[in-house]
Amino acid sequence: DSGVTQTPKHLITATGQRVTLRCSPRSGDLSVYWYQQSLDQGLQFLIQYYNGEERAKGNILERFSAQQFPDLHSELNLSSLELGDSALYFCASSRTSASTDTQYFGPGTRLTVL
Amino acid sequence: GENVEQHPSTLSVQEGDSAVIKCTYSDSASNYFPWYKQELGKGPQLIIDIRSNVGEKKDQRIAVTLNKTAKHFSLHITETQPEDSAVYFCAASSTGGFKTIFGAGTRLFVKA
Repeated sequence: DSGVTQTPKHLITATGQRVTLRCSPRSGDLSVYWYQQSLDQGLQFLIQYYNGEERAKGNILERFSAQQFPDLHSELNLSSLELGDSALYFCASSRTSASTDTQYFGPGTRLTVL
Repeated sequence: GENVEQHPSTLSVQEGDSAVIKCTYSDSASNYFPWYKQELGKGPQLIIDIRSNVGEKKDQRIAVTLNKTAKHFSLHITETQPEDSAVYFCAASSTGGFKTIFGAGTRLFVKA
């Protein structure tokens, strides 16, 4: 158990809908990262937040947005969902904002768009 | 842009044999190299990492070697067991860089 929690574990929705994925980092970690993993694919970095502020952006679509709250939990919002958005979404956390800091991953949310 | 290439994509070994997974990175400023193991239905878990001030690190049956000149690093698993079957990801990042770059993953099968 990494100490990173994600809810929900599974999410099934329809095209065009909007969903929110939630992540709580390990105790004491200030950075949260979001990754997308499509079927049999690697980890695609979406976005990083550090202490409430956006720190780095990867291949995140404009339909996707995220935020980190004062209690350091983070939410990833996916809107106007398409079939191709079906994937595993992982959250990771680290102590600092440094990219050389070890990231600890949560169990993931499996999103299915029908 | 920065890139991490990982080989092989699939590896099948007999229980008790060794397994080696290799990664090559493009950013010469990279100085942190973690390895993650992802079991079916779970998130990636850190199994070992190495920083550029050392050439090798060992933890029981797992070892990682780093060749900064050639810009490649490898994961070595000895005495493999069926529970080692999983997808393994290498990654690289640099101080001052803004993200960690992951390899595409290696699916390891250990046959009993």
